[in-house]
Amino acid sequence: QVQLVESGGGVVQPGRSLRLSCATSGFTFNTYGMHWVSQAPGKGLEWVAAISYDGSNTYYADSVKGRFTISRDNSKNTLYLQMNSLRAGDTAVYYCAKVSGMRVAEGGLDYWGQGTLVTVSS
Amino acid sequence: QSVLTQPPSVSGTPGQTVTISCSGRRSNIERNYVYWYQQLPGAAPKLLIHRNYQRPSGVPDRFSASKSGTSASLAISGLRSEDEAEYYCAAWDDSLSGVVFGGGTKVTVL
Repeated sequence: QVQLVESGGGVVQPGRSLRLSCATSGFTFNTYGMHWVSQAPGKGLEWVAAISYDGSNTYYADSVKGRFTISRDNSKNTLYLQMNSLRAGDTAVYYCAKVSGMRVAEGGLDYWGQGTLVTVSS
Repeated sequence: QSVLTQPPSVSGTPGQTVTISCSGRRSNIERNYVYWYQQLPGAAPKLLIHRNYQRPSGVPDRFSASKSGTSASLAISGLRSEDEAEYYCAAWDDSLSGVVFGGGTKVTVL
């Protein structure tokens, strides 16, 4: 069965960095695009970033462009989100999710991890 | 302020049909597929509707969706207590080069 397991969340001071990981299994990782989606406490879903199956194309929300970097290691079946210059407004649960179709540039995400909480606070 | 607009809440009694609207723009809903997600309290989102109106395996046919122009809608018929959840619409936005979500609609079963 498909499994996505995020890790790397925690409490971090404003301006510092954090790297999230998403370990996957149960599907052919190197043939699917992947996304990160965040959810601030008590708020709705917010798209963060996406990456194509081979890493050649990446997309970012304006709110994180220049601060966050999405990447993947297909040899390890793992997705990453490098988060730099963190702000209080980045506090959220971060989910990794698998694209349901063949194109990363779609909104269809058929499998989600359980999420990892990032808290940015001094 | 979400790019896609949904009502904050809808409610109904068991057995009723409720409808959730999702309003967007040409750059997102009109030009691309619409997806719907269900998020139960304390859980990760679950894909409910795929590519405008298709139900993934395991999703009851009580859930149906449609799209017309820059708007989409999700209908839940035969409302059940287990349908109490937050529902989100989503689509790729060609102008933003990213996924846009609606603000979410909380469905309450009275």
